[in-house]
Amino acid sequence: DGGITQSPKYLFRKEGQNVTLSCEQNLNHDAMYWYRQDPGQGLRLIYYSQIVNDFQKGDIAEGYSVSREKKESFPLTVTSAQKNPTAFYLCASSLTGADRGSGETQYFGPGTRLLVL
Amino acid sequence: GENVEQHPSTLSVQEGDSAVIKCTYSDSASNYFPWYKQELGKRPQLIIDIRSNVGEKKDQRIAVTLNKTAKHFSLHITETQPEDSAVYFCAASKETSYDKVIFGPGTSLSVIP
Repeated sequence: DGGITQSPKYLFRKEGQNVTLSCEQNLNHDAMYWYRQDPGQGLRLIYYSQIVNDFQKGDIAEGYSVSREKKESFPLTVTSAQKNPTAFYLCASSLTGADRGSGETQYFGPGTRLLVL
Repeated sequence: GENVEQHPSTLSVQEGDSAVIKCTYSDSASNYFPWYKQELGKRPQLIIDIRSNVGEKKDQRIAVTLNKTAKHFSLHITETQPEDSAVYFCAASKETSYDKVIFGPGTSLSVIP
């Protein structure tokens, strides 16, 4: 199913709590991305990483943090500073650098639905 | 900043009719344009893509056309079927090393049996 996985499928957050969403890929892709999707809306970029140990803020980074210690993994932490975290979170990866040829095709994980208790 | 607009936001067609979704982009350096289909509660999946050196690409019932001068591209679905019902996202990017994809807001397509 594309080699990119997310866990958990559903996550419940209590007020004031930090939670971490997992994203793993075995596609040997350099780039990884986190998107937030609200009901009936498009994809908004939270953070992206083009290479290990480097990441950039997207359009809605406030209240979120990421790390990229390994090529395969790009976890997203939803902090207590994010006041409206209920959404569907999608992780994606793509091939960059000298191995491009397939364009910036992004492969998506199955998503994590975050709900607030 | 970079922007991708998409129209219409919702589209209903009768089974067997054609559906057309149009997108415009702002960055003239964009040269790669993928289309994604997202069924309810599932991940977006690539259905077709086109590069700027090509004006049209077809894959069975799906086709995409690109007009670089006008900075717009369109998705055409012929002989629509109920399983085509989904949200469709267009996107634009530049094939350089460190660029991200800009997605359109999506079109919700309903195919009525």
